Amino acid sequence: QQQVRQSPQSLTVWEGETAILNCSYEDSTFDYFPWYWQFPRESPALLIAIRPVSNKKEDGRFTIFFNKREKKLSLHITDSQPGDSATYFCAASLYNQGKLIFGQGTKLSIKP
Amino acid sequence: NSKVIQTPRYLVKGQGQKAKMRCIPEKGHPVVFWYQQNKNNEFKFLINFQNQEVLQQIDMTEKRFSAECPSNSPCSLEIQSSEAGDSALYLCASSPTGTGNTLYFGEGSRLIVV
Repeated sequence: QQQVRQSPQSLTVWEGETAILNCSYEDSTFDYFPWYWQFPRESPALLIAIRPVSNKKEDGRFTIFFNKREKKLSLHITDSQPGDSATYFCAASLYNQGKLIFGQGTKLSIKP
Repeated sequence: NSKVIQTPRYLVKGQGQKAKMRCIPEKGHPVVFWYQQNKNNEFKFLINFQNQEVLQQIDMTEKRFSAECPSNSPCSLEIQSSEAGDSALYLCASSPTGTGNTLYFGEGSRLIVV
């Protein structure tokens, strides 16, 4: 059973557009949601994270929107740049348990 | 640049051979995780440690996988008898706290079983 789901599997947008990556989860007790990005032949790196005490987290061009009632969140990347091309992973966990559960990833391609 | 050091970056093993990977967590990080990332990019949690103690692990009933984090030595993940399905990227990550969940990943050890 996939506890964290991501859509779409792949996404292509033009440079300058806003990319929207979606994530949903099963366990309502999850209380920490980081997004990681991974470039080809590199390891995942933390991009941005949110806890359910807020419904929005912004860091530059990257914003997480969180809907606790629907158990959904999304990552918005505004003014997309070719350097944003990577695979993005949504993850979830219980704050006091450490183990992250990852989604299947969204491969984002930005066309110049 | 990753401060979690994993070695080797690549290893090629024949079926039935032993495969061993090592990880030095970032300094001051007491919690270490091992994940397996397959060719479909799927992450599978394997085990985590706080200092030398196992916190959580999957059911390694096959007993082919073992891991340890001894004091004053690198952590390690060992596959006793490699199978083709073990071919994957093995990622080690460390965390500065026992909770809080920010994981810092190493560059991984890519295992190819031929």
